[in-house]
Amino acid sequence: GAVVSQHPSWVICKSGTSVKIECRSLDFQATTMFWYRQFPKQSLMLMATSNEGSKATYEQGVEKDKFLINHASLTLSTLTVTSAHPEDSSFYICSALSGSGYEQYFGPGTRLTVT
Amino acid sequence: DAKTTQPTSMDCAEGRAANLPCNHSTISGNEYVYWYRQIHSQGPQYIIHGLKNNETNEMASLIITEDRKSSTLILPHATLRDTAVYYCIVRVSNTGNQFYFGTGTSLTVIP
Repeated sequence: GAVVSQHPSWVICKSGTSVKIECRSLDFQATTMFWYRQFPKQSLMLMATSNEGSKATYEQGVEKDKFLINHASLTLSTLTVTSAHPEDSSFYICSALSGSGYEQYFGPGTRLTVT
Repeated sequence: DAKTTQPTSMDCAEGRAANLPCNHSTISGNEYVYWYRQIHSQGPQYIIHGLKNNETNEMASLIITEDRKSSTLILPHATLRDTAVYYCIVRVSNTGNQFYFGTGTSLTVIP
């Protein structure tokens, strides 16, 4: 299947700082990517839909000014957690929609810890 | 919101078939059923998907009831590496193909 990578795989940052997470589709072009957050022992929660060349669509309750999403190319979407707080510590996972629109390929996830 | 309900956990003996049920009674006519699994601290892995007909691939089989209100994922010969959380997802097709994950079933394969 198609490959999606995330960078970094884990990151530790201090409260008040910002951190950027990259999501790349390595062997296909993805006009649509998704960002999820997963807390320990919980399911994945969809945060936003990222469309290449346009503004992201955020799910209800997700602060768009805190979680900045940029999808500047067909193979790269970035999520920036601004002014991070300890409660933002979580596992962030991205996925990329295949050209057919039928499959979502998931990245390996990024573990964010805010101290 | 997730449109599926699954049992919280299941056990299966190694080498036996694992049958994971999923209820999706409010599914619409053009919505697909997808199954993914997640091994601890990794991204979800695609298993199979279907619309109306039963589907089979090298990993599993998907049985969808005629009324499409429920489905069953079958792992024909479970191994210890199949221990994972299995998610049944109904794909939202009219607003952008989003996946809304439910709680999933934690499958433990026992030696």
